[in-house]
Amino acid sequence: AQSVTQLDSQVPVFEEAPVELRCNYSSSVSVYLFWYVQYPNQGLQLLLKYLSGSTLVKGINGFEAEFNKSQTSFHLRKPSVHISDTAEYFCAVRPLRQAGTALIFGKGTTLSVSS
Amino acid sequence: DADVTQTPRNRITKTGKRIMLECSQTKGHDRMYWYRQDPGLGLQLIYYSFDVKDINKGEISDGYSVSRQAQAKFSLSLESAIPNQTALYFCATSDYPGGDSEAFFGQGTRLTVV
Repeated sequence: AQSVTQLDSQVPVFEEAPVELRCNYSSSVSVYLFWYVQYPNQGLQLLLKYLSGSTLVKGINGFEAEFNKSQTSFHLRKPSVHISDTAEYFCAVRPLRQAGTALIFGKGTTLSVSS
Repeated sequence: DADVTQTPRNRITKTGKRIMLECSQTKGHDRMYWYRQDPGLGLQLIYYSFDVKDINKGEISDGYSVSRQAQAKFSLSLESAIPNQTALYFCATSDYPGGDSEAFFGQGTRLTVV
């Protein structure tokens, strides 16, 4: 079975500061990794995903994440946040070779950016 | 138009009533999912469907049922709504094959059971 732990439920930061949202996962098999963002009153949209290859993955809106297999982590980073980045962020996993299996989500991290 | 459409977007219903949430998609995906979102709990899987004839329970299926009427339509029913089913419900789709495929989400249905 797989599980996802997002280590911070809330992250308050000031505009233009860097931010890191932490995600650890547990799995007995290899997994694909995803970060989704949910803006207020909206559905979830994909920020980025790690499938294979380079462990540094770049996504939309200036976000990037680094896959660390030894630490089973997939932390999300942005060097300079904007007010518009205020949202809830979800880390998710899906086992390899289990096509179509539902994504397993963490409990989410609320990023609050203030001026 | 949205690729994954959920109706209604908001609904208030009374305890004991039967209610259906509907989801339709234009992405042509075989896989469809229903998730429930509660504050601080993330998204929990209720049911998922690999095709019209394949329905599977998720981690929190008790009190819910689903119907896959066509490849493009997947409905979630609460047979007898109770207040702790008050939540935000999301429908999602994904392509086949390939476990690497992302899930595409609808805008959500906010359900309140009073």
